[in-house]
Amino acid sequence: GIQVEQSPPDLILQEGANSTLRCNFSDSVNNLQWFHQNPWGQLINLFYIPSGTKQNGRLSATTVATERYSLLYISSSQTTDSGVYFCAVDNYGQNFVFGPGTRLSVLP
Amino acid sequence: KAGVTQTPRYLIKTRGQQVTLSCSPISGHRSVSWYQQTPGQGLQFLFEYFSETQRNKGNFPGRFSGRQFSNSRSEMNVSTLELGDSALYLCASSPGGVPYEQYFGPGTRLTVT
Repeated sequence: GIQVEQSPPDLILQEGANSTLRCNFSDSVNNLQWFHQNPWGQLINLFYIPSGTKQNGRLSATTVATERYSLLYISSSQTTDSGVYFCAVDNYGQNFVFGPGTRLSVLP
Repeated sequence: KAGVTQTPRYLIKTRGQQVTLSCSPISGHRSVSWYQQTPGQGLQFLFEYFSETQRNKGNFPGRFSGRQFSNSRSEMNVSTLELGDSALYLCASSPGGVPYEQYFGPGTRLTVT
């Protein structure tokens, strides 16, 4: 089945810094989403982005489907951005395969 | 529009018992998927239901089962609980078309003692 890798596994930032999270996948996909998991376990939708670029406030994402990767950019990070970020993909199988996540800690 | 709801939010069961978890999707969504999250295995797909039919299944033993009702609400059942079934169980709903965007509920945290 499709494999999903995320890097880095852990990231510690000072408030106000920028960061880039990466998601690599091993096969073509028809669906890719980025999620933020809060401390209570809720997965919050950030982007639905099987291809192209999207922006939402301080966050933006780019997926280059032909090269099988996606990037999540966080600018001017805040302590509330802390948590685990997951990339999930589907390669026409009607189910998501999640990456292992990137744990982000933003220090005040 | 109300989001995905899951009940109960927390559950403690004893090894050997069975458990039923419930998920109500976003109104109008016809697809419900279930995922298990553990520290060791991460987030893993259990199964997906669409219009009361199981459309896809992950690699879990037969002790894990589910169903979907005509109003799209879904339940998953785990029989003969094992300690390793302790996990956060997440439900996601989507309209059902392809491709699709999934929306997740808050999860049910199951502890097996």
